[in-house]
Amino acid sequence: KNQVEQSPQSLIILEGKNCTLQCNYTVSPFSNLRWYKQDTGRGPVSLTIMTFSENTKSNGRYTATLDADTKQSSLHITASQLSDSASYICVVSVSAGNNRKLIWGLGTSLGVNP
Amino acid sequence: DTGVSQDPRHKITKRGQNVTFRCDPISEHNRLYWYRQTLGQGPEFLTYFQNEAQLEKSRLLSDRFSAERPKGSFSTLEIQRTEQGDSAMYLCASSYEMLAGANTGELFFGEGSRLTVL
Repeated sequence: KNQVEQSPQSLIILEGKNCTLQCNYTVSPFSNLRWYKQDTGRGPVSLTIMTFSENTKSNGRYTATLDADTKQSSLHITASQLSDSASYICVVSVSAGNNRKLIWGLGTSLGVNP
Repeated sequence: DTGVSQDPRHKITKRGQNVTFRCDPISEHNRLYWYRQTLGQGPEFLTYFQNEAQLEKSRLLSDRFSAERPKGSFSTLEIQRTEQGDSAMYLCASSYEMLAGANTGELFFGEGSRLTVL
């Protein structure tokens, strides 16, 4: 069964600290992996899209890694800011013939405290 | 603002009433998606369009739900005879895909339409 699991479920850190969010997937065949940030009550915003051949990708203070062998991805946030408080969702695109589907994780809720 | 826009942002209705949501995608995007999201959960896929063609519907989309995208531009999602379980955020997203079966383009989401059924 195609699944995307994220950990931790929730996390609270102090402003200025770094953190790493994890995503494990059991999806085959794999097409690409995405990380989204979703503020409370708003639509998700794309942070990165990574294909099979990409190991790391950065977007400002966000750095995503992908290990296609172990089917793991991480999202590292550097020097956290209060505005980083949000849900971070890992999404994996499944390739199935001529059609592809997006498998969504449940997200990690991040709180950044002053 | 040239992003994805959704209307209305909030809708409160009584059980049994019909509601309609509208989504205006980014103009050059040919793919449009509808998702439903409840509190604490990730978005759940409902349906998507490639231009004006509705290519897939989720099992979540009961016969009370219908979506249209006339002329491949804006889309509407209608829920008939609403139930309390329909209370959720309804998200629209758009992307550009060169191939009908591909899923490589970045999704751009609207701010969502929050439905409350009393």
